[in-house]
Amino acid sequence: ETGVTQTPRHLVMGMTNKKSLKCEQHLGHNAMYWYKQSAKKPLELMFVYSLEERVENNSVPSRFSPECPNSSHLFLHLHTLQPEDSALYLCASSQETQGPGANVLTFGAGSRLTVL
Amino acid sequence: DQQVKQNSPSLSVQEGRISILNCDYTNSMFDYFLWYKKYPAEGPTFLISISSIKDKNEDGRFTVFLNKSAKHLSLHIVPSQPGDSAVYFCAASGKGAQKLVFGQGTRLTINP
Repeated sequence: ETGVTQTPRHLVMGMTNKKSLKCEQHLGHNAMYWYKQSAKKPLELMFVYSLEERVENNSVPSRFSPECPNSSHLFLHLHTLQPEDSALYLCASSQETQGPGANVLTFGAGSRLTVL
Repeated sequence: DQQVKQNSPSLSVQEGRISILNCDYTNSMFDYFLWYKKYPAEGPTFLISISSIKDKNEDGRFTVFLNKSAKHLSLHIVPSQPGDSAVYFCAASGKGAQKLVFGQGTRLTINP
C-alpha cells in the first residue's frame, strides 16, 4: 500500500462506546496530523505529532485521545463522544516538521464517524 | 472568527474556459498559502502553493496569485477540464507555525 491509509472508513457508535480510528502512512514522513471536518465548516486541526512527539493539541476535548506509537502509525481513541462529534476525521502526514514544507500534507481518505 | 474565507461555496464553468477561485484572509502574519483539491471519497491533495515574497506562482494549467495588500489570493485554472471538478480548499500558515488554517472550500463544476 502507498500513501496514507485510514481505517475504518465508516464508523457508527453510541455515546457510551469506546472505539479507535487508525492511520498508517507508507511515505516515510516525519509528522502526522489529525483533522476534523464537520458539515459546512473548514478543516480543523486537532493534533500534530512530530517525530512521534505530540507538538500540538488544538484545544481538543479529552474524549479524543491520540496515540502515535511510531512514525508510521497514528491512532485516535474515542470515548463517550457526543452527537456533535459526528464528522469526517482526516489523517495527514508531511515529510517536514517545520517550515513551509510542513504545510504540504498528504491526506488519507478519512473516517466518517456518526455518533448516535 | 474565520481567518481564511472562501466566500463562494460553488462555481460552475464551461469546459475550456478559465476557472477563478477566490480566497480572502485576515491574519497579516500568514506568509505561506496553499491550494488543495478534494474529490469525493478521497482526502484533499496538495495542488499549488505560494510564499508571501511572491505574487504569482504557475504550474501548468494552474496559477496562484497573491495580493498581500488586499489579503486576497486566487487560483486560476486554464483551460478548465472535466477532471478539475472537485472541491478546492485554500489554506494559509504563519511564520514558524505548524498550524495550517483552511477555508471552507469551493465546489468547482466543469460543464462539457
